[in-house]
Amino acid sequence: DARVTQTPRHKVTEMGQEVTMRCQPILGHNTVFWYRQTMMQGLELLAYFRNRAPLDDSGMPKDRFSAEMPDATLATLKIQPSEPRDSAVYFCASGSKEDYRQETQYFGPGTRLLVL
Amino acid sequence: AQSVTQLGSHVSVSEGALVLLRCNYSSSVPPYLFWYVQYPNQGLQLLLKYTTGATLVKGINGFEAEFKKSETSFHLTKPSAHMSDAAEYFCAVSKAGGTSYGKLTFGQGTILTVHP
Repeated sequence: DARVTQTPRHKVTEMGQEVTMRCQPILGHNTVFWYRQTMMQGLELLAYFRNRAPLDDSGMPKDRFSAEMPDATLATLKIQPSEPRDSAVYFCASGSKEDYRQETQYFGPGTRLLVL
Repeated sequence: AQSVTQLGSHVSVSEGALVLLRCNYSSSVPPYLFWYVQYPNQGLQLLLKYTTGATLVKGINGFEAEFKKSETSFHLTKPSAHMSDAAEYFCAVSKAGGTSYGKLTFGQGTILTVHP
């Protein structure tokens, strides 16, 4: 049963600390998305990779957030320095479809981040 | 630009009653439309999608949705609600072109509550 995995599942940290979240997309998938979900803003797309190349990171605060895909099996999202307003659930999703418009996105279970 | 509006942030039904969750979209090109479901403390998963062809789309767990171009709608229905349908439901539209081809724009979500 192929699944997207995310680590850690929960993270509590103090303001100013670096946070790194990791995602392993489903094997063979070549598209990876990072989303943030909060009660106030709902589901926001932060960054989006295809074949490991960043396509769109317009939703990501550039001064403190960074997203990378060091290889096809690992995507990372870093926050440095973290702030209380970054508290949210961060989801990774992956997909693979020749016609990307109808691609199904498979979501991981999320990383629940609390910044004190 | 594409957008999605979900009418009603909360919908409450009795077990066995009809479920109707409303979604209206805005798109300058023929849209690809999706419904995703999120159970508590989980990531989103695909319920169904409309790409081309038949306008009535059947999905998992007895849900279906009908694409109505004249009304720019893609409402989700289920004839008889089950307690296990309690979740948050998201309507989404896929970006037609440009570098972010396939990027999803999500609605704000509708929380479905099912009463015994």
